[in-house]
Amino acid sequence: NAGVTQTPKFQVLKTGQSMTLQCAQDMNHEYMSWYRQDPGMGLRLIHYSVGAGITDQGEVPNGYNVSRSTTEDFPLRLLSAAPSQTSVYFCASSYASSDYSYEQYFGPGTRLTVT
Amino acid sequence: EDQVTQSPEALRLQEGESSSLNCSYTVSGLRGLFWYRQDPGKGPEFLFTLYSAGEEKEKERLKATLTKKESFLHITAPKPEDSATYLCAVLRGGGSNYKLTFGKGTLLTVNP
Repeated sequence: NAGVTQTPKFQVLKTGQSMTLQCAQDMNHEYMSWYRQDPGMGLRLIHYSVGAGITDQGEVPNGYNVSRSTTEDFPLRLLSAAPSQTSVYFCASSYASSDYSYEQYFGPGTRLTVT
Repeated sequence: EDQVTQSPEALRLQEGESSSLNCSYTVSGLRGLFWYRQDPGKGPEFLFTLYSAGEEKEKERLKATLTKKESFLHITAPKPEDSATYLCAVLRGGGSNYKLTFGKGTLLTVNP
């Protein structure tokens, strides 16, 4: 299993540009989520999905869109990049059942810089 | 609002010098507490899940414990390869609607 994969690993954008961060998992997990990690702030939840066609907002959703058309993929779209979105973005997945531990598996991250 | 506070923010140890990291939490209806390890430039890696006060789990030089208000990650005779940021997270809810709240982490450096 490849686990959780993210592309690209690094990205530089100019203010106002749009882009999509890709996330895929091959563990048949229902639950997928996007976090951003900033120095001194910890991991903060942006959006999450409990299955194909179902998404919801997390703690810091403004400026980001998500969709989930398949179990495997959960892309994160930046609509109009701002310097405040400079961060490291992590995608994570897990089972969504009390039969499991809700242990989240994280991808390697995408380091985004907005100038 | 769920709150997770980790202390200290940074800890520097000599190889073999045992110590503990603290994670105190305020959450309504705790379903579980997680410990993760994060190496520089990588995603967090799962270490432990604790579900109820009094529970303990061990893995090599690490032991995690849980009370009703806090969790400790005890590191016994650490080695330089234990250097990393250790993250604590609390789980609320369950089924298809759960929420994980992370602390800011403790940066552990173990010197040879």
